[in-house]
Formats: sequence, structure tokens, C-alpha cells
Amino acid sequence: RKEVEQDPGPFNVPEGATVAFNCTYSNSASQSFFWYRQDCRKEPKLLMSVYSSGNEDGRFTAQLNRASQYISLLIRDSKLSDSATYLCVVERMEYGNKLVFGAGTILRVKS
Amino acid sequence: DGGITQSPKYLFRKEGQNVTLSCEQNLNHDAMYWYRQDPGQGLRLIYYSQIVNDFQKGDIAEGYSVSREKKESFPLTVTSAQKNPTAFYLCASSIGDGVLGPQHFGDGTRLSIL
Repeated sequence: RKEVEQDPGPFNVPEGATVAFNCTYSNSASQSFFWYRQDCRKEPKLLMSVYSSGNEDGRFTAQLNRASQYISLLIRDSKLSDSATYLCVVERMEYGNKLVFGAGTILRVKS
Repeated sequence: DGGITQSPKYLFRKEGQNVTLSCEQNLNHDAMYWYRQDPGQGLRLIYYSQIVNDFQKGDIAEGYSVSREKKESFPLTVTSAQKNPTAFYLCASSIGDGVLGPQHFGDGTRLSIL
């Protein structure tokens, strides 16, 4: 079983739709959580950190459930420019802060 | 502007050849990392370094080597022992020194076999 699991998608949604991605992690020692966005053939870029209390950044809302070892990302009012692969990432404090990446969920927003 | 610079953007390797990928950062970060990404897969950690002159193997270190002689630089050598080197290679850095937090990436090097 992979340490970080995501539904690969693709999620095909119309502009203006709300879409949610889920991610589960298996290592309870995971300490920090992030969503990264990766455009085709580009490097990953940090979208947002994820906190237990939930956090929001404009149209994006991230939630963490430590008991269920589950992370979510909600995108409201989808834009064409949101089309990308969304990577769920967890961090463990071994020797250095080790990030473990999920394989990503593909989002395609269509007009 | 501070950032991470990887070079070259594209690299071709002949059979039996070692090639070196460059990674330089001016963010004053202590920690640096090398990842490999294959199509449809998550990033996998090759090597990482928390301080100068120290580095550790990641999950897939076989066939690779690194050095960390300067804080700003963390070059990765793909040796001839790496039999399937074709991939997208990403270098990242973070504050390090026991501080949890996100890593920031360079724009990657695509390595292919001739």
C-alpha cells in the first residue's frame, strides 16, 4: 500500500463547478500536510498548507482529519486555469523534513 | 529574486555515460533534495542534504551520487549504473534545521537516453 493515496482522476468538470479531492495517508507519524499543484511538464508549486482546523485561501479550502488520516481539497467556482494535477503531500520529521508525495489527481476544467 | 535554478532543462545521456545535473539556490536554505518523477507516479526521493558536507540516501538512491560542498549547490550525478534514467528530475530546498515546512522546487531537468 502506498503511503499517500489519491484518486488519479481525471476529474472533468465545467467552469463554475465545485470539485473535491481526497487523500489518505498511512503513517500516523506524519506531521505536516500540503497540497501542491503541478502543471503539465512543470515543477510542483505549493498551493496551500493544511491545518487541523481547516483553512481557506480564496476559492480553495483544505481540511485535515488526523483521526481518519484523511486530507481534502475543495475548489469552488472552478476556472479553466485550475486545470492541473493536484499533489497531496505529507511530511515526517525523520532526518530532515521528509516529504512523501501522492501520485496526484488530474483536474480538467472545461468551458 | 530568490529561487532554485536547475540546469540544463533537457539532457541526453549515452549508454555507459555519467551525467551531472546542476541545482543552485539563493534562498539561504540549509536543506536540499533531489526527486525523480516518472509519468503517472508521485515524486520519489533520491538524496537529501540537511547541511553542507552531509547527505543521506532517499528511497531510490541506487545509480545516483551527490555532493554538498557549498550551501547553495547540490549537484546530482546519474551514473551508468542507473539502468533506467529517463525521467523528470526535480531539485528542491527548504529552511531545514529542524523546521517543518514546504519545499520549493526548481523547474526541473528532463533526462533521456540517446
